[in-house]
Amino acid sequence: AQKVTQAQTEISVVEKEDVTLDCVYETRDTTYYLFWYKQPPSGELVFLIRRNSFDEQNEISGRYSWNFQKSTSSFNFTITASQVVDSAVYFCALSEAGKGPMDTGRRALTFGSGTRLQVQP
Amino acid sequence: NAGVTQTPKFQVLKTGQSMTLQCAQDMNHNSMYWYRQDPGMGLRLIYYSASEGTTDKGEVPNGYNVSRLNKREFSLRLESAAPSQTSVYFCASRYRWNTEAFFGQGTRLTVV
Repeated sequence: AQKVTQAQTEISVVEKEDVTLDCVYETRDTTYYLFWYKQPPSGELVFLIRRNSFDEQNEISGRYSWNFQKSTSSFNFTITASQVVDSAVYFCALSEAGKGPMDTGRRALTFGSGTRLQVQP
Repeated sequence: NAGVTQTPKFQVLKTGQSMTLQCAQDMNHNSMYWYRQDPGMGLRLIYYSASEGTTDKGEVPNGYNVSRLNKREFSLRLESAAPSQTSVYFCASRYRWNTEAFFGQGTRLTVV
C-alpha cells in the first residue's frame, strides 16, 4: 500500500539557516505523483509543488528547492536562507496511478504526518 | 472564484448529536475528498468521491457517512458524534488523480 513517511516531527532553525525537510515514500506503482503542501499557522493548506515519477530533475523556485531520488524513494524539500514567514507545517503527499481509472483508492492523495518548521528570528 | 468552500468553520457538539459538514467547489473538479487532521497524524482520508455518483471509504471511515449530491457538492455526516471525532476536517477537490488538490479552510469540530 502507498505510504509517506516524514520522520522529522519538528525542526527549529534560526533565520537565514538552510533547512531540509525529508520525505520518504512507498509505492508499488511505476507511475505516481508526489506533492508538497504548506500549512501556515492560519491553518489553510497551500500547494507548493507536484512532481511525476518520470521526472527526476531537481526543481528550484526562489528559496525553495526539491530533490527527487527514485533510488532512495525520497522527495526532499530544502529552504535556503529561511525566514520567519517559512514557519509552518509542511506535508508531503503521494498519488498512484493504480491499475487504471477504476482503481480509485490508490489514486487518492495520501499524506505524511507532516514536519513542523519553526524559524526563529 | 471561491475555490472550495466549507461550512461551518467551527462547531461544538455534544456526544450523540449529529451534524453535516458541507463542502462545495466551483472549479468543475471530478474528485472530492474529506480528510481529518489530528496532531501528529497528518491528514487522514475519511471518504472520497472519485467522480460524481461514486463514493468510497478511505483510511478512517467509521462513524461517518458521505453524500456526493452533485458534481459541486460533497457532504460529510456524523450520525452520532463521539469525543474521538474531535478534529479539524478538511474538504478537498481536484480535477484528476495526478493534479494538485485544492482545500477548503477547514472545520474545527469539538465533541464534548
